Amino acid sequence: DAGVTQSPTHLIKTRGQQVTLRCSPKSGHDTVSWYQQALGQGPQFIFQYYEEEERQRGNFPDRFSGHQFPNYSSELNVNALLLGDSALYLCASNLGTGVTGELFFGEGSRLTVL
Amino acid sequence: GENVEQHPSTLSVQEGDSAVIKCTYSDSASNYFPWYKQELGKRPQLIIDIRSNVGEKKDQRIAVTLNKTAKHFSLHITETQPEDSAVYFCAASKGDKIIFGKGTRLHILP
Repeated sequence: DAGVTQSPTHLIKTRGQQVTLRCSPKSGHDTVSWYQQALGQGPQFIFQYYEEEERQRGNFPDRFSGHQFPNYSSELNVNALLLGDSALYLCASNLGTGVTGELFFGEGSRLTVL
Repeated sequence: GENVEQHPSTLSVQEGDSAVIKCTYSDSASNYFPWYKQELGKRPQLIIDIRSNVGEKKDQRIAVTLNKTAKHFSLHITETQPEDSAVYFCAASKGDKIIFGKGTRLHILP
C-alpha cells in the first residue's frame, strides 16, 4: 500500500520564478492538504482540496495556488517566488471532507529560493 | 481562526525521566487534538490523538490530557528512551483543517 508520495524531493529556484510541486495521496484517500514548514517551525496550513475544489485556505497570498485531479493527486503552484518561500512543503492526505482522523504526510519537497 | 501555542520550544530530560509538553488553543469549537512526532529529516507521524469528549488517553508510555474549559492539552511521555528524541507537534481541529503548534524539540540525555 503506497503512502503519500511527493515530487520533487529537492529543488532550487531563483526569486521571481514559478514552481510546481506534486503529490499523490495514500491509496483510498480523497482529501489532500498542503503545509509549509519553515526551518525549526511547525507545519503551516496552506490549503485543502477535496473533489477537485479548494475547501479550506490558510493565511497565504494568492501566489500560492493548487489543483486536484480526478485521481485525487494534487499540485501546489507558487508564483513570483520570494526568498521567504524557502521551506519544506508537506502534502498530507486523509479520507473525507472533515479532518477527523490521522493525516498521512509525504516526505516533503524542500524548496530553496536564491 | 484557530491558533495553537506550544511550550516549551526545547526540552531536555534524563533518560528514564518523564517529559511533559503543553499546548493551548484558541477556538472553543475545536474537538480533535492530535500529536505528531517528527524525527530529523523525516515526515511527521501521528503518535496519539484525543477527542473533546474524552479527558485523558493513554497508549503505553504516552498519555494525553485535555482540559476543554481551560482550552489546553498536554503530552506526557514516561520512562523516556533515546528513540524519543525528536520534535513533537501538537495540533487542533474542529473537523476541517488541522492547525499545528510550533513544535517542541525533545532531547533525551544519556
